[in-house]
Amino acid sequence: NAGVMQNPRHLVRRRGQEARLRCSPMKGHSHVYWYRQLPEEGLKFMVYLQKENIIDESGMPKERFSAEFPKEGPSILRIQQVVRGDSAAYFCASSAYQETQYFGPGTRLLVL
Amino acid sequence: AQRVTQPEKLLSVFKGAPVELKCNYSYSGSPELFWYVQYSRQRLQLLLRHISRESIKGFTADLNKGETSFHLKKPFAQEEDSAMYYCALKERYGGSQGNLIFGKGTKLSVKP
Repeated sequence: NAGVMQNPRHLVRRRGQEARLRCSPMKGHSHVYWYRQLPEEGLKFMVYLQKENIIDESGMPKERFSAEFPKEGPSILRIQQVVRGDSAAYFCASSAYQETQYFGPGTRLLVL
Repeated sequence: AQRVTQPEKLLSVFKGAPVELKCNYSYSGSPELFWYVQYSRQRLQLLLRHISRESIKGFTADLNKGETSFHLKKPFAQEEDSAMYYCALKERYGGSQGNLIFGKGTKLSVKP
């Protein structure tokens, strides 16, 4: 089992561009969580998805951020019109229903 | 509000010394608590969860509801224990289905 995969591992964008972060859950897991870690901070919950459904997006910024987990393929976290404050590490975790969350290696986004 | 506090940003001990990483939480309900560890250049991984009452790599953590604490302890620290340690609370209320609330983390440095 390859574990949770995230790509890219590092992403550099200029202000105003779009960032797309991908997360492939562990085999057999249908629950995906996205977390953001700002410098010197702990991980903060953003969104919880199951296949084709957003279950809880209470941690998502109201604008520019969206997430999906289609029937086929990875979960995508999309950030439109990035700003410098979006620079952070974005972690994805997957689980079976309400079981232990297993984390990916993260994507480090740098906005210039 | 649900909150996890790790008061120490950095904890430095000598090899063989006891170590205690502090974690306090604020939660209205029956908490489910975890310790995650992140070794250098590796992904976040689960160290232990309070409901398992297990000992992993010599670490233990006891949930103290009276003091709302879940401190991580090891009697004899090893150099390979050097890592970032995160305490986390699983949130279960309203629409939340198990997302984690993390503390800011404690960096443990074990010196030879």
